[in-house]
Amino acid sequence: EDKVVQSPLSLVVHEGDTVTLNCSYEVTNFRSLLWYKQEKKAPTFLFMLTSSGIEKKSGRLSSILDKKELFSILNITATQTGDSAVYLCAVEPMNRDDKIIFGKGTRLHILP
Amino acid sequence: EAQVTQNPRYLITVTGKKLTVTCSQNMNHEYMSWYRQDPGLGLRQIYYSMNVEVTDKGDVPEGYKVSRKEKRNFPLILESPSPNQTSLYFCASSYLAGGLNEQFFGPGTRLTVL
Repeated sequence: EDKVVQSPLSLVVHEGDTVTLNCSYEVTNFRSLLWYKQEKKAPTFLFMLTSSGIEKKSGRLSSILDKKELFSILNITATQTGDSAVYLCAVEPMNRDDKIIFGKGTRLHILP
Repeated sequence: EAQVTQNPRYLITVTGKKLTVTCSQNMNHEYMSWYRQDPGLGLRQIYYSMNVEVTDKGDVPEGYKVSRKEKRNFPLILESPSPNQTSLYFCASSYLAGGLNEQFFGPGTRLTVL
């Protein structure tokens, strides 16, 4: 059965710390992996990853995909209280008739 | 402004009273989808639609219906709501072609079934 597993489920750190969020997957015919940030509303898109080893970067956030080991990490450096959110990982299959699979998310809380 | 809209945003209803949550997108997206989000279970897909008149079941379709008569609209229908359908619902849309896989999410509908 296809699945996406995120870890940790919950994380509390102090402002300024660096965090690494993990996403592993078992999906038939992988197309892309997506990261979203969800605060008190709908998820907002962060990154889409399709190729192994190529880091995507946006400000203090970066992400990389390992298609051999079937996982991705999302790094946040110099965390700020505004980074507090649930971070969702999703995998899209190659066959567009198959559904997108979401992980359960990592709840990140940044202490001031 | 490109967006996905949902209505209503909040709804409290009683068991068995049929309801419809509307979803509309103005980006000419082919793919639309409904999710429910519950604590500890994450986002689960209810139904999705690849194009007009093409719909398919997601992970948790029981108790729900959808229709896709027009490209822009994808309503979610609960014929006989039950308390276990109390949840936060998100509609989303995306392009199918061109490799643009970002899903645009609506603002969410918080449904309580008493």
